[in-house]
Amino acid sequence: DVKVTQSSRYLVKRTGEKVFLECVQDMDHENMFWYRQDPGLGLRLIYFSYDVKMKEKGDIPEGYSVSREKKERFSLILESASTNQTSMYLCASSRRDRAGQPQHFGDGTRLSIL
Amino acid sequence: AQSVSQHNHHVILSEAASLELGCNYSYGGTVNLFWYVQYPGQHLQLLLKYFSGDPLVKGIKGFEAEFIKSKFSFNLRKPSVQWSDTAEYFCAVTPPGQAGTALIFGKGTTLSVSS
Repeated sequence: DVKVTQSSRYLVKRTGEKVFLECVQDMDHENMFWYRQDPGLGLRLIYFSYDVKMKEKGDIPEGYSVSREKKERFSLILESASTNQTSMYLCASSRRDRAGQPQHFGDGTRLSIL
Repeated sequence: AQSVSQHNHHVILSEAASLELGCNYSYGGTVNLFWYVQYPGQHLQLLLKYFSGDPLVKGIKGFEAEFIKSKFSFNLRKPSVQWSDTAEYFCAVTPPGQAGTALIFGKGTTLSVSS
């Protein structure tokens, strides 16, 4: 069974801090994704990566960056955290080689910026 | 703008009632379609998916969905809901030409089932 592990379930940080959210998958998936989930807005894509060191902006990349140095790990970085980045962050992974491949999600990190 | 629409924000049903959650998308061409469910405190799980073939797709836990190309719809159904179906449901689409990459999600429908 696919396992996507996010490093923290809950995180509290202060405005202006640099914040790292880590995600690891164990199924050798090429694609990895970061979403944020807000009530009434569904899931919105921040960034995704289809290979090591490759990244693509999603719908809401402002204020975020990502790093993919190894295939299994995809990090989301909040360069200077702000209160409007308080949210649930979801990591996902999927295969790239076939149509119709579903994404597999981690448990999420609930991030509060004070 | 291209989008995925879920028309029902919050649905409240009694146990044994039938369920239909609407999903429409605005992309032309070939799309891949998914329904995900998020139970309270749990991660998103795949309920079912469609990418070709029979437009009536059966998923886990008695759910099914019908792809109607002419209506750009992929509605989720269950003949008889249970209290354990209380969850948030998301429709998602992989836009044409982007198979295997990012999903576009609807805003979600919260289903509350009373026993």
